[in-house]
Amino acid sequence: DARVTQTPRDKVTEMGQEVTMRCQPILGHNTVFWYRQTMMQGLELLAYFRNRAPLDDSGMPKDRFSAEMPDATLATLKIQPSEPRDSAVYFCASGIDWDRDGYTFGSGTRLTVV
Amino acid sequence: DAKTTQPNSMESNEEEPVHLPCNHSTISGTDYIHWYRQLPSQGPEYVIHGLTSNVNNRMASLAIAEDRKSSTLILHRATLRDAAVYYCILSDQTGANNLFFGTGTRLTVIP
Repeated sequence: DARVTQTPRDKVTEMGQEVTMRCQPILGHNTVFWYRQTMMQGLELLAYFRNRAPLDDSGMPKDRFSAEMPDATLATLKIQPSEPRDSAVYFCASGIDWDRDGYTFGSGTRLTVV
Repeated sequence: DAKTTQPNSMESNEEEPVHLPCNHSTISGTDYIHWYRQLPSQGPEYVIHGLTSNVNNRMASLAIAEDRKSSTLILHRATLRDAAVYYCILSDQTGANNLFFGTGTRLTVIP
């Protein structure tokens, strides 16, 4: 089965450091999402792209978060500077427009900011 | 975005059918009903989706009320591997096609 690949799987960093999370969507998928999951807030939509163009990033703290798709095979989510409240599991998902088979999620990046 | 309401938790015995309800009384005509599930320590997984008619696939069945204000995800024979949080989500085909997850239903399967 095709997979969405996220790296790193786990990341521990100190407050103030820059963090970059990467996502390789499934080949041919033109829609990419970034979600964040915490115990308190559940799954929150941060941003999403279609055909590499950002369509909605209203869920993202603009001052420290940025999301990009340098090419069709890579999506990145960057936090600079990181804060302890950013500790969460970050998921990437991909799909094809109005995907008949739903969106496929990666295994997530568990971020801990100390 | 239209809201959905699900029970916080449900239990089922192994090898018995499970009916997971979802209320969406403010659903619009262009909203699709999606179900995803999240197994422990994994990302969400697509289960099924539909618009008006009941839907079946290899994982589950989706029964949609005639007025579309509620739906039920049916697992025909629960296994221990079906223990997960199940999310019912509405998404507008004409809009952003994004998925806003609620709190879902935590399904416990009892051996």
